Amino acid sequence: GAVVSQHPSWVICKSGTSVKIECRSLDFQATTMFWYRQFPKQSLMLMATSNEGSKATYEQGVEKDKFLINHASLTLSTLTVTSAHPEDSSFYICSASTSGDPTDTQYFGPGTRLTVL
Amino acid sequence: AQSVTQLGSHVSVSEGALVLLRCNYSSSVPPYLFWYVQYPNQGLQLLLKYTSAATLVKGINGFEAEFKKSETSFHLTKPSAHMSDAAEYFCAVSGATGNQFYFGTGTSLTVIP
Repeated sequence: GAVVSQHPSWVICKSGTSVKIECRSLDFQATTMFWYRQFPKQSLMLMATSNEGSKATYEQGVEKDKFLINHASLTLSTLTVTSAHPEDSSFYICSASTSGDPTDTQYFGPGTRLTVL
Repeated sequence: AQSVTQLGSHVSVSEGALVLLRCNYSSSVPPYLFWYVQYPNQGLQLLLKYTSAATLVKGINGFEAEFKKSETSFHLTKPSAHMSDAAEYFCAVSGATGNQFYFGTGTSLTVIP
């Protein structure tokens, strides 16, 4: 149980285009979803927290107009990288939990590799 | 603010030897701490978590971790390493007002046959 999927698993796009990444909880309802960014050989950096039906909360330094997050249902959150540039190339990982409780386990998706040419 | 520090970005052990991966935390509130493992080309998988119950926490695959408040540590151990334990290990602390996770930089574990 507690499976989280991401689509696509990898994407290559041209500079200036927008890319949408989907995160789905397959067998549970996720009231809270998180988006992380992971650079090579580095840790996961939390980008934003989203709760179903409300606006995402972004971490300091993350441009909310560039990284649009939508959490329209209890099983789906999307991250759209708008006007992508090569420096946005990274590994994007989502996770989901059934509540916003600090003791809750987060279930992670397998990640999406974004390459911007 | 919450943060974790993982000492040693790479750890190598012989098969059958003790595994010790270090994690120290900094938290303005009682922390909730987690260890995750990431196998190549896979998502992060929870190994164990500390949520203020027993200080010695047992997880999957024979791993355990001990919460030591006096040392602000939550080191991960396994008595006998197996080849299948080779992976990236991440320590994380939960946020004060919700369950945002703040991860350490990770430790890559290599198991030598």
